Amino acid sequence: SAVISQKPSRDICQRGTSLTIQCQVDSQVTMMFWYRQQPGQSLTLIATANQGSEATYESGFVIDKFPISRPNLTFSTLTVSNMSPEDSSIYLCSVADNYNSPLHFGNGTRLTVT
Amino acid sequence: AQKITQTQPGMFVQEKEAVTLDCTYDTSDQSYGLFWYKQPSSGEMIFLIYQGSYDEQNATEGRYSLNFQKARKSANLVISASQLGDSAMYFCAMSSSGGYQKVTFGIGTKLQVIP
Repeated sequence: SAVISQKPSRDICQRGTSLTIQCQVDSQVTMMFWYRQQPGQSLTLIATANQGSEATYESGFVIDKFPISRPNLTFSTLTVSNMSPEDSSIYLCSVADNYNSPLHFGNGTRLTVT
Repeated sequence: AQKITQTQPGMFVQEKEAVTLDCTYDTSDQSYGLFWYKQPSSGEMIFLIYQGSYDEQNATEGRYSLNFQKARKSANLVISASQLGDSAMYFCAMSSSGGYQKVTFGIGTKLQVIP
């Protein structure tokens, strides 16, 4: 399976600032996704990162708050903008080779907003 | 809409014993996939096992097996010969067929292996 490198692995940020999380895959993958896991909760899909076009956001998530880039088939970024303490979560990049293959995840970014 | 239900917030198992983690699902799709993931305290999500809705045999991966009962819409994970390193959160998840993959996760079960 693909090796997924996500960074930073953790960060502590101040309210009102922005953080960009990077996801690098060692091979070309069809599908890339960003998930959020709030403390003690399950995973929630933020958006599908589309190569060369705007990301597809799930209900409750908007581009202004979570802008996503995917310039090629191996790299994507997620920015958490204008952060508040409610954004404290683990953010996970995931990839899949095709529609029915399992998702594989990066190690996640543990974000704390103070 | 898809839904995954995990009714066991926490489970204990003695080392070397087997344990079953429950998962039921709801979907109107005919084609779907079922997954189990392990999340240690470090936070990474580790893929364990996959079952397709049309697979007739239960999936197995080493010490992990998935007890798939389609009529009952259940996909329980069985871990045999538990090890201390199995202590983690376990998430059941489901994907649907369609234009792109969307995976729905359950709320997880925390497994603790006792020496």
